[in-house]
Amino acid sequence: DVKVTQSSRYLVKRTGEKVFLECVQDMDHENMFWYRQDPGLGLRLIYFSYDVKMKEKGDIPEGYSVSREKKERFSLILESASTNQTSMYLCASRVFGEGNTIYFGEGSWLTVV
Amino acid sequence: AQSVTQLDSHVSVSEGTPVLLRCNYSSSYSPSLFWYVQHPNKGLQLLLKYTSAATLVKGINGFEAEFKKSETSFHLTKPSAHMSDAAEYFCVVSDRVDTGRRALTFGSGTRLQVQP
Repeated sequence: DVKVTQSSRYLVKRTGEKVFLECVQDMDHENMFWYRQDPGLGLRLIYFSYDVKMKEKGDIPEGYSVSREKKERFSLILESASTNQTSMYLCASRVFGEGNTIYFGEGSWLTVV
Repeated sequence: AQSVTQLDSHVSVSEGTPVLLRCNYSSSYSPSLFWYVQHPNKGLQLLLKYTSAATLVKGINGFEAEFKKSETSFHLTKPSAHMSDAAEYFCVVSDRVDTGRRALTFGSGTRLQVQP
């Protein structure tokens, strides 16, 4: 089974803190994604990585950056957390072939106070 | 360009009765289609997928979906609802060729309630 692991399920951070959300996939997938999910707004793409050290901005990249130094790991970074970044964050990876199926992690609930 | 419309934002059924969650899509090519389920405070779990083989696709937990090209639909069904099926369901369309970030389009979700 494909496994996408988000190591932090629940975090509480203070405004202005730097926050790292880590995601690891175990299936050698080229593509990885970070989404945020908010009630009434659905899933919104923050950043996309199509391979190691390759990244592309999604629809809402402001206030976020990413790092992909190794194929299996895709990190989302909030340089200076703000209360409007309180949300559920979902990491995903995609395999070519199989219709380009995308697999999700369990999600990370971030509260910024 | 592609789009996905989940026709119902909320569906309520009684336990033991059939489930129908509706999804229509538009696409200028032959897409892949997926259904995902999300339980409270969890990530999205893949239920089933259509990737150009059989048009009737069986998934986990007794769910199935039929790809109907003429109707541009991919409705999710289950013969008999269980309380554990209460969750949010997402229909997703994917370009089978384009591997860029815009290749995926998510529906807005359908919340399924199951009454005892």
